[in-house]
Amino acid sequence: QSALTQPASVSGSPGQSITISCTGTSSDVGSYNLVSWYQQHPGKAPKLMIYEGSKRPSGVSNRFSGSKSGNTASLTISGLQAEDEADYYCCSYAGVYVFGTGTKVTVL
Amino acid sequence: QVQLQQWGAGLLKPSETLSLTCAVYGGSFSGYYWSWIRQPPGKGLEWIGEINHSGSTNYNPSLKSRVTISVDTSKNQFSLKLSSVTAADTAVYYCARAAITMVRGVIAANWFDPWGQGTLVTVSS
Repeated sequence: QSALTQPASVSGSPGQSITISCTGTSSDVGSYNLVSWYQQHPGKAPKLMIYEGSKRPSGVSNRFSGSKSGNTASLTISGLQAEDEADYYCCSYAGVYVFGTGTKVTVL
Repeated sequence: QVQLQQWGAGLLKPSETLSLTCAVYGGSFSGYYWSWIRQPPGKGLEWIGEINHSGSTNYNPSLKSRVTISVDTSKNQFSLKLSSVTAADTAVYYCARAAITMVRGVIAANWFDPWGQGTLVTVSS
């Protein structure tokens, strides 16, 4: 099972919105509504931000939202803040669990 | 609030067996799957495998021949063993709780949370 494809980097200014894509296939992202997103700051463990494509866990800012269309899932961060600078990974069920290649978000 | 604390040897020689344990504090051990996930330095995440409280396991096919995940429900702990390690197994290893749901008659995780603090395992001669 190949890793899901994410852009290597995305950047934006404070207050702007950015979107990170996560492209899979009809065997993973396109087949199951089980896409989750994780935020990882340097040297830290990943943190769950979105699950089942668009649901936010308790305690996660509503500036984070998720969606899916076909074989591509997306994570949008609105009102970008300095603390959002981190790596982001998507994950999908595909019989096993497949993670994305990761996206480094830079706040300019 | 559930917390995961993990430990194990951080430096191994090629061909040795990696052994890590993760303890679960503050929550139910049943009703979830318990996973191991690794991250090579500077790279992305790779799911290794999972186990539930009954001992039912699922493994990543790419590692299945070398991986054993076990559980000790009396201590709310689960463990990872990876045999015949090479430099390619150098990574930060994380344990994580997986919430499960039923998809087309199959149990699957819909998220991983929380995660352990991570253990850097280096394989070097």
